[in-house]
Amino acid sequence: DAGVIQSPRHEVTEMGQEVTLRCKPISGHNSLFWYRQTMMRGLELLIYFNNNVPIDDSGMPEDRFSAKMPNASFSTLKIQPSEPRDSAVYFCASSLESGGSPLHFGNGTRLTVT
Amino acid sequence: AQSVTQLGSHVSVSEGALVLLRCNYSSSVPPYLFWYVQYPNQGLQLLLKYTSAATLVKGINGFEAEFKKSETSFHLTKPSAHMSDAAEYFCAVRQNSGGYQKVTFGTGTKLQVIP
Repeated sequence: DAGVIQSPRHEVTEMGQEVTLRCKPISGHNSLFWYRQTMMRGLELLIYFNNNVPIDDSGMPEDRFSAKMPNASFSTLKIQPSEPRDSAVYFCASSLESGGSPLHFGNGTRLTVT
Repeated sequence: AQSVTQLGSHVSVSEGALVLLRCNYSSSVPPYLFWYVQYPNQGLQLLLKYTSAATLVKGINGFEAEFKKSETSFHLTKPSAHMSDAAEYFCAVRQNSGGYQKVTFGTGTKLQVIP
């Protein structure tokens, strides 16, 4: 089991540029979550997919953020255009859609927007 | 709606002392409860989980937590703190909401271990 794989591990970009973060969930997991973590706001849920369908996107900050899950083994989080306030660590997590199933987190992508 | 409250954003203990991290939840039905640990520059890792099999749950690294329904609590304890326990700890609840198993995290508690 390779765990949840996120790429890139670090991303530095200039304000206004498009940023794409990638996630490969654990095989067989049918729920996928994108979180953002900052010192000021802590851990925030951005979006939750079940069977590749977005179930809860109420945490997506604004239209600049979009997330897709074209198949069960891949998801992307895109920010266009990026702003300095988007600087954070972005985590992807996956799990089985079962109440007793824990989330498995990737190691995150540290995004810095200058 | 479910919610999780972690009392104390920062807790300091001496090496060898008892660790107690508090978590209270609100839920309309018996929830599934979890504790996660986050070390610097890493994602969250599962420490332990409560799924109604037993009220006292043992996890990794000597941690345990007790589910108390009457107090709606799920506090995390460890008898003797090690330096390696310094990390941030998150309590979480997972519960059916609208047909889906939604997850709510607490705001986290940073544990400092003093030598």
